[in-house]
Amino acid sequence: GAVVSQHPSRVICKSGTSVKIECRSLDFQATTMFWYRQFPKQSLMLMATSNEGSKATYEQGVEKDKFLINHASLTLSTLTVTSAHPEDSSFYICSARGQGVGNTIYFGEGSWLTVV
Amino acid sequence: GQNIDQPTEMTATEGAIVQINCTYQTSGFNGLFWYQQHAGEAPTFLSYNVLDGLEEKGRFSSFLSRSKGYSYLLLKELQMKDSASYLCAGSPSYNTDKLIFGTGTRLQVFP
Repeated sequence: GAVVSQHPSRVICKSGTSVKIECRSLDFQATTMFWYRQFPKQSLMLMATSNEGSKATYEQGVEKDKFLINHASLTLSTLTVTSAHPEDSSFYICSARGQGVGNTIYFGEGSWLTVV
Repeated sequence: GQNIDQPTEMTATEGAIVQINCTYQTSGFNGLFWYQQHAGEAPTFLSYNVLDGLEEKGRFSSFLSRSKGYSYLLLKELQMKDSASYLCAGSPSYNTDKLIFGTGTRLQVFP
């Protein structure tokens, strides 16, 4: 079964509104999670590293104030897309390294965001 | 830099063997991952190489040469369901939980 779960899997929001995506590690604690974005027919681009109990670390070119990341517990990280615009429409995926499950990096199911 | 390069697209015939290559800059990486991604879905883990050599897992095998900055994914006995994108990803030595993805290779298997 899945070791990393994301919610919602699909969301449509109006331009100018904010939307929150959750990423949960199941049955293990993740002090670090990662958020990726993927546009159609392109590869995954790392957006930021989510650190439990501290500020996220953003990759170059990613707007911190637009993509708010909160890692309030050892099993939950959230990504909030603020003031969404149609160009933010994308596939957002989180990942975390599993503990006691082969020690590999697992991805959530992904969240499709469409901004209309 | 930490560029990871793959061919953009490949085609193959059902039942055949296909090799997908991945090259990367040798400095700074600690391990290479291969993921499979079907359209509209999240990537699924295929393999992880941290030492040189070939790792075999059923119909899929992955090879790594750290000195050459080179890896490949070998798919045998191709099936139609293998049509997908195959992503090569490096794990930086400064943060082994992080993944830097290559461009991905879209493989189309024909009957």
